[in-house]
This record gives sequence, C-alpha cells and structure tokens, in this order.
Amino acid sequence: LAKTTQPISMDSYEGQEVNITCSHNNIATNDYITWYQQFPSQGPRFIIQGYKTKVTNEVASLFIPADRKSSTLSLPRVSLSDTAVYYCLGTNAGKSTFGDGTTLTVKP
Amino acid sequence: EAGVVQSPRYKIIEKKQPVAFWCNPISGHNTLYWYRQNLGQGPELLIRYENEEAVDDSQLPKDRFSAERLKGVDSTLKIQPAELGDSAVYLCASSLDWTSSTHNEQFFGPGTRLTVL
Repeated sequence: LAKTTQPISMDSYEGQEVNITCSHNNIATNDYITWYQQFPSQGPRFIIQGYKTKVTNEVASLFIPADRKSSTLSLPRVSLSDTAVYYCLGTNAGKSTFGDGTTLTVKP
Repeated sequence: EAGVVQSPRYKIIEKKQPVAFWCNPISGHNTLYWYRQNLGQGPELLIRYENEEAVDDSQLPKDRFSAERLKGVDSTLKIQPAELGDSAVYLCASSLDWTSSTHNEQFFGPGTRLTVL
C-alpha cells in the first residue's frame, strides 16, 4: 500500500477554499486514493475516493494528476464545522493504511 | 439506518485486568475492521474480517489480544492482560464488501476509549 505524506496542520478562514495535498510516490497500480475526515471523539468519516483525474461530490473535490504520485483534496468555502483531521490513504483490496493526517483549523 | 455500534464508549481498568469491546456493524456489511488509535495518530489496523474469517491479523499482538466474529455479524475484541501502553481508542468499522467497486468505503463507529491505570 502507498505510504502517504501530508502536512501536519493547516489554518484557514471561513469562506475560503482549502486545498490539502498528499504525496504518495510509491502508489501501486491498483491503489485508489481515499480521504477521510475525523472530528474529536468520533470515528473517521469517508469524504471522497478516486483513481485518477478529478472526482467531485457534494462535499469535496479530489484532483489526481496523471502520474498519481500526489492528490489534492479541495474543500470549497469552508466553515468552522470543517475543523477536523483529514486523512489521505491508499486503498487496495480491502486494506487501507492511515497516516497521521492533516489537522485543519478554520478560523472565523 | 443505524450506523456501527460500539460498546462501551469508555472503559477504565487497572493494568493486568482483562477488557472486552463489542461491535455491531451495519447490517449487510460483510467486512469488519478493528483499529487502535493513539492520541495524535491515525488509526492502526489490528484485524480485518471477511464474514467470520480473519483475513488480516498481522498487526494484532496475539500474545494478549484476541478477536472473534463467530456468526459473521457482531464482533468482540479482547485484551488479557491489559498493559499501560494499551490505553487508546479502539475503533470498529465495517464495509459492504472489499471487492466492491467503491473499494471499501469504511463506516466507523464512535470508538471505545480505554484507559489503563
């Protein structure tokens, strides 16, 4: 499974777009890229998943370039409630490896 | 639809005591996971079940940890005896099927916070 590297923390302000980039240089051909969000005292929650190019859902967008060595989670117009830890992970055949995530703090 | 249910939510025990955690996955989910999450770190997989079969337990400390999923539905994770370093949050997750096209979107329970004194 891909070893992922993310920034430890990021700060933003309400209403801004936030982009969190994850590096996964050794991603395997069959790995998908999955992002989870975790609030304090809760389990992680699935946000979005993709293999290549761009995926968008009602919550976020995921950009994966052609070489797939990195990916970017984009959160449009964040609010205070988006303050959480965000995990990027490689997923293959039922197995995922979580890193230590990026703590996003949204300020008023 | 009910999510993943875990109990208890909190547990405080003294070292060398046994402890057990229970998990009931989302109905119809064949795959069940147990994770351990230390403070400030991401979840670490302990064991993964496909129905009642443990298909990945490589990270489970088998000298003191055990798990079972007898009927392929709910599951129990046990620690005996507990050590100070076992203090963590124990998360249970389930997914529909790891072979599905969604590549196992996992649904997590709220976790059990274990404190070993």
